[in-house]
Amino acid sequence: DQQVKQNSPSLSVQEGRISILNCDYTNSMFDYFLWYKKYPAEGPTFLISISSIKDKNEDGRFTVFLNKSAKHLSLHIVPSQPGDSAVYFCAASDISSGSARQLTFGSGTQLTVLP
Amino acid sequence: DTGVSQDPRHKITKRGQNVTFRCDPISEHNRLYWYRQTLGQGPEFLTYFQNEAQLEKSRLLSDRFSAERPKGSFSTLEIQRTEQGDSAMYLCASSLSEVAYEQYFGPGTRLTVT
Repeated sequence: DQQVKQNSPSLSVQEGRISILNCDYTNSMFDYFLWYKKYPAEGPTFLISISSIKDKNEDGRFTVFLNKSAKHLSLHIVPSQPGDSAVYFCAASDISSGSARQLTFGSGTQLTVLP
Repeated sequence: DTGVSQDPRHKITKRGQNVTFRCDPISEHNRLYWYRQTLGQGPEFLTYFQNEAQLEKSRLLSDRFSAERPKGSFSTLEIQRTEQGDSAMYLCASSLSEVAYEQYFGPGTRLTVT
């Protein structure tokens, strides 16, 4: 069963506009959520995280929103730039996983920012 | 460069052969993780170390897989008697205990078993 779901495999956005990437989860024990960006032939790069006690976290052009009641989070990128074109992964950490705190990932969304 | 490094970046092997991958974490990070990623999927957790102790293994880690982290520095992941289903990207990540969930990944080792 997929505990973290990214239902949109791809998204295309015009340069300068807002990109919104969505993620849904099912596990109520997730207490931290992260977004990673991945370019081809590279490992995932950490972008931004949010604790389950918050509903918004902002870092420059990136903002993550968390709706706990809907078990939904989203990443907003504004303004979008061609260099943002990459696969974006949503990930979550489970407080009940013990000391490991391993991450559970979604399947990713390919963002393409068109010049 | 003080990021996570992995070696080799690519490995092609024949079915039945043994392979070993190396990961060097960020120097001050005491936690080290191995993940596996297959095409079209996100990374999946395999195992984790706190310093030199291997504290958790996923059910994905069959008996053919073994990982070590001697002296709590670099780590190796060995796969014995490789199978075609082992073909994947093997990713290493490291973190600090205080923010264990904030994991930094290396570039990965892409394994192809023919």
